[in-house]
Amino acid sequence: GAGVSQSPSNKVTEKGKDVELRCDPISGHTALYWYRQSLGQGLEFLIYFQGNSAPDKSGLPSDRFSAERTGGSVSTLTIQRTQQEDSAVYLCASKEGAANYGYTFGSGTRLTVV
Amino acid sequence: GDSVTQMEGPVTLSEEAFLTINCTYTATGYPSLFWYVQYPGEGLQLLLKATKADDKGSNKGFEATYRKETTSFHLEKGSVQVSDSAVYFCALSHAATGANSKLTFGKGITLSVRP
Repeated sequence: GAGVSQSPSNKVTEKGKDVELRCDPISGHTALYWYRQSLGQGLEFLIYFQGNSAPDKSGLPSDRFSAERTGGSVSTLTIQRTQQEDSAVYLCASKEGAANYGYTFGSGTRLTVV
Repeated sequence: GDSVTQMEGPVTLSEEAFLTINCTYTATGYPSLFWYVQYPGEGLQLLLKATKADDKGSNKGFEATYRKETTSFHLEKGSVQVSDSAVYFCALSHAATGANSKLTFGKGITLSVRP
């Protein structure tokens, strides 16, 4: 597609429920990142996928968070047993190749845990 | 580890005022430096970048110079417009072939420009 697409754009969930957030990167972009944007905290790196390599999961805050990328394209971020502190905007970005510029960000999913 | 520090916000200016948003960083080696902008309801967009010391990035009237001696990358614009109202993020990344070149962001600062 023309840009990075994320869905849903907004999600309200009850504490303790599981949620799945989807990211559809730009076609042909081999690198995909998930970030979390919390109020007053800036953007926090969560996980990185590059081609068929093992993902860098070093930013995931707990084992309730996981992500996968199927077929080198669409990625799903799953949060299990959601907590109120998980409320944030979750941003996905993709880029072509290994250069450290040229990122394209999606508009994000705003997650609210009530 | 790497870190980026931005001045505290929010910032409110009148149209045509001069803008400076401070950004300093801590990193090993020679990172590339970026300013990203997030307009209301939109995704993050790259505003400008600089990849080595003394480089000046510029776009849409905004400028920032990579100062290694002061580890800074302050954003400036001579005359802001209402349409510049947005959240601005300073960020850094290491050039790495085949490795994780993730962006490390500052906390962001909200700029509001009034007519």
